[in-house]
Amino acid sequence: EPEVTQTPSHQVTQMGQEVILRCVPISNHLYFYWYRQILGQKVEFLVSFYNNEISEKSEIFDDQFSVERPDGSNFTLKIRSTKLEDSAMYFCASTPGQGGAGELFFGEGSRLTVL
Amino acid sequence: SQQGEEDPQALSIQEGENATMNCSYKTSINNLQWYRQNSGRGLVHLILIRSNEREKHSGRLRVTLDTSKKSSSLLITASRAADTASYFCATRGSNYKLTFGKGTLLTVNP
Repeated sequence: EPEVTQTPSHQVTQMGQEVILRCVPISNHLYFYWYRQILGQKVEFLVSFYNNEISEKSEIFDDQFSVERPDGSNFTLKIRSTKLEDSAMYFCASTPGQGGAGELFFGEGSRLTVL
Repeated sequence: SQQGEEDPQALSIQEGENATMNCSYKTSINNLQWYRQNSGRGLVHLILIRSNEREKHSGRLRVTLDTSKKSSSLLITASRAADTASYFCATRGSNYKLTFGKGTLLTVNP
């Protein structure tokens, strides 16, 4: 069964360092998302991506964040200069057409720890 | 204000009992979805109900939607220890994003 894969599963970094989280969405999906979940808290929307551009982003997704789909298969989230409060689980998700209205397929997440 | 708030925050039941979780939301929706998350894992889609639907079933799951009250409920019948997880409702409006609630932590005791 096709699945969304994320790497790394866990990354530890120093404050101020750049981090890139990678995702391979399901191959025929058209809409891509990043969400994050601080330990024990709600799942927060970061950004949605369709047709090679950001379709919506949240207030969390400031200039320190960027997304890219560099090669038609990978979907990356970059945090330019990490802060302590960026420590969280980051989930990638994708969905096929239907205007993005259907169910989301999530990866297992990348745990980011900022020291 | 939060879109998609579940209650209770935590629910503990015995195996074989039914579990009911509720979700309230504030703005109009295109659809409402329920997801499950085992501890430390990704979210898994359970069921989607459209704004023009009132009830939907999938196996031991039953979801209801009351758009006049802006609320939904998820019923898990004949619960099993393996149903222990966090359950989230998520709403989709006219935009691309799915907005999640804070979740209900369900513990099913064997």
